[in-house]
Amino acid sequence: SQTIHQWPATLVQPVGSPLSLECTVEGTSNPNLYWYRQAAGRGLQLLFYSVGIGQISSEVPQNLSASRPQDRQFILSSKKLLLSDSGFYLCAWSGLVNQPQHFGDGTRLSIL
Amino acid sequence: QKEVEQDPGPLSVPEGAIVSLNCTYSNSAFQYFMWYRQYSRKGPELLMYTYSSGNKEDGRFTAQVDKSSKYISLFIRDSQPSDSATYLCAMSARTGNQFYFGTGTSLTVIP
Repeated sequence: SQTIHQWPATLVQPVGSPLSLECTVEGTSNPNLYWYRQAAGRGLQLLFYSVGIGQISSEVPQNLSASRPQDRQFILSSKKLLLSDSGFYLCAWSGLVNQPQHFGDGTRLSIL
Repeated sequence: QKEVEQDPGPLSVPEGAIVSLNCTYSNSAFQYFMWYRQYSRKGPELLMYTYSSGNKEDGRFTAQVDKSSKYISLFIRDSQPSDSATYLCAMSARTGNQFYFGTGTSLTVIP
C-alpha cells in the first residue's frame, strides 16, 4: 500500500533562517505531488504541485520554492523565512489526474 | 465568489445523532467530489470519493452529490465521539491537476 511521510512534525525557526521540509511517498510510481499551507479558518492554499521529476508549478508567488529531485521526493524550501511563513504545511500525493489526494501528517512551522 | 463554500460551524451534536455536512460550489465543470476528515494536528484523511451526481454509502457515511444545485453533502449516521474532527469537502474538474477545498466544518460529538 502507499504511504506518505513528512518531516519534521514540528519546527521552530528564527526569522531570516533557511527552511527545508521533506516529503516522500512509498508504494507508487510517478505520483503527482503537492504542497499546501493550511491556515485556521482559511482552508488549504495550494503552494506548488509537480507532475514529474524537475517539473514544478507554482500557484502563489511567495518566499518559498519547491523541488522534486527524485520521483517520490518533494522538498519545500526557503532561503530566508518571514514571520508570515508560519503555518501548517501539508504534502499530498495523487495517482492519475483527478484521483483523490492523500495527505501526510503535516509540519507545524513557527517563526520567531 | 469562492469556488467552494462550506459553513465552518462549529457543529455540536449528541452521540447517536445524524449529522449533515454540506458544501456548495460555483464551477459547473467540477466532476469529482471528496470528503476528508481531519483530526487536530493531523493531515486530512480521505473519507469518500464520488464522481458526478448520486449517492455513495460506506458504513455510517453517505456522500450525496446534486450537480444541478451545485451542492454536496456528507451524512454521518449514529455519530460517535470519535467522529469529532474537522470535515473538508474538495472537488476537481475533469481536466487539470487542481483540487478546490472548502474551509472545513468543525464537528463535536458529545458522549
